[in-house]
Amino acid sequence: AQKITQTQPGMFVQEKEAVTLDCTYDTSDPSYGLFWYKQPSSGEMIFLIYQGSYDQQNATEGRYSLNFQKARKSANLVISASQLGDSAMYFCAMREGRYGGSQGNLIFGKGTKLSVKP
Amino acid sequence: DSGVTQTPKHLITATGQRVTLRCSPRSGDLSVYWYQQSLDQGLQFLIQYYNGEERAKGNILERFSAQQFPDLHSELNLSSLELGDSALYFCASSDPGGPAGTQYFGPGTRLLVL
Repeated sequence: AQKITQTQPGMFVQEKEAVTLDCTYDTSDPSYGLFWYKQPSSGEMIFLIYQGSYDQQNATEGRYSLNFQKARKSANLVISASQLGDSAMYFCAMREGRYGGSQGNLIFGKGTKLSVKP
Repeated sequence: DSGVTQTPKHLITATGQRVTLRCSPRSGDLSVYWYQQSLDQGLQFLIQYYNGEERAKGNILERFSAQQFPDLHSELNLSSLELGDSALYFCASSDPGGPAGTQYFGPGTRLLVL
């Protein structure tokens, strides 16, 4: 069963506008971590932001923020003031594993391709 | 630059052959993870090592094996290669301390099996 769902295969946003990339997840583990990664056309995977299941506040990292709604099991990424360099694939991922804590493997969604228009 | 290095960057080989992918984790990271990214399967976890010991296995084929050495670098061995093994193979490492355990990815090895 798919545990991370990204329903937007592709999205367009105008430069300098904000954009929200959707992610829903499914887990029965009370302790988990949610991550967003960016993959430009060059192929590398770049870590953007992390949200722990027990974190009370939504995570923020510069222009990136995570809209974490635990009851809805959603962890949407918000990018403010989009830039041309933000054009890339974006992956939502969840960490689970029998060791819980911080050492479990990641499960990825299928990704959203974001294109920023000048 | 994530601090994780992978060699080689590109690899072209023939069906039936065997290749070895190498990964050096970030300084201080004890966990190494291997992932495969293909068009049809997306990003899939293969295997994890922690301080030299196998910790978890994912969708890793029996033709594939890995190990982590005392200096913490890791190798992924792919044998009896098939066309469907063509993919981008990532290594990631994580810090054992702290709640996040964020995984930092290497640049990947792009494998093409002809």
